[in-house]
Amino acid sequence: QKEVEQNSGPLSVPEGAIASLNCTYSDRGSQSFFWYRQYSGKSPELIMFIYSNGDKEDGRFTAQLNKASQYVSLLIRDSQPSDSATYLCAVGDFQKLVFGTGTRLLVSP
Amino acid sequence: AAGVIQSPRHLIKEKRETATLKCYPIPRHDTVYWYQQGPGQDPQFLISFYEKMQSDKGSIPDRFSAQQFSDYHSELNMSSLELGDSALYFCASSLKSFHSTYEQYFGPGTRLTVT
Repeated sequence: QKEVEQNSGPLSVPEGAIASLNCTYSDRGSQSFFWYRQYSGKSPELIMFIYSNGDKEDGRFTAQLNKASQYVSLLIRDSQPSDSATYLCAVGDFQKLVFGTGTRLLVSP
Repeated sequence: AAGVIQSPRHLIKEKRETATLKCYPIPRHDTVYWYQQGPGQDPQFLISFYEKMQSDKGSIPDRFSAQQFSDYHSELNMSSLELGDSALYFCASSLKSFHSTYEQYFGPGTRLTVT
């Protein structure tokens, strides 16, 4: 079983809708949680990070962390076609990042 | 803002050759990480350096070695290349000292093709 699990998708949402991306992890000792966006053939771009239980909002993005359930999510409000990409959940232990396989998001105009 | 710089961006090598990938972290960042991403796969951690010392090691083959220099740039040396080494190689950097933050920022990557 992979340490970080994500639904591979694709997740299809219409423009303007809320996209909800989910991630679970197996290592209870994990301390840091990240969401990266990756366009095909490009490098991962950090869009959100969260270290404490609860919600963290930044513009159209909200990250949610529940350490008891070992669950982290990303909400994208007012989704735009330019948000179409693969979203990678990454979990850190103060050193390396362990990535999920990513969820492909498709936002249709 | 300055980002992570990687060179070369593309590299074509033949089997059994050697390759050297370079990474220049974001200015003032003290930690460098190397990741390998195969086609359709997620990035896999290879190795990291903090203040020029190896800090963690992942699934890096023995044929690969890396180091971080006094100016904090890092080089990944790959020898006896195999077809399976064809992948995107990303370098990421972070600032650990003082702030104890763990956000890693990725460079544009080097696409290595082994023929």
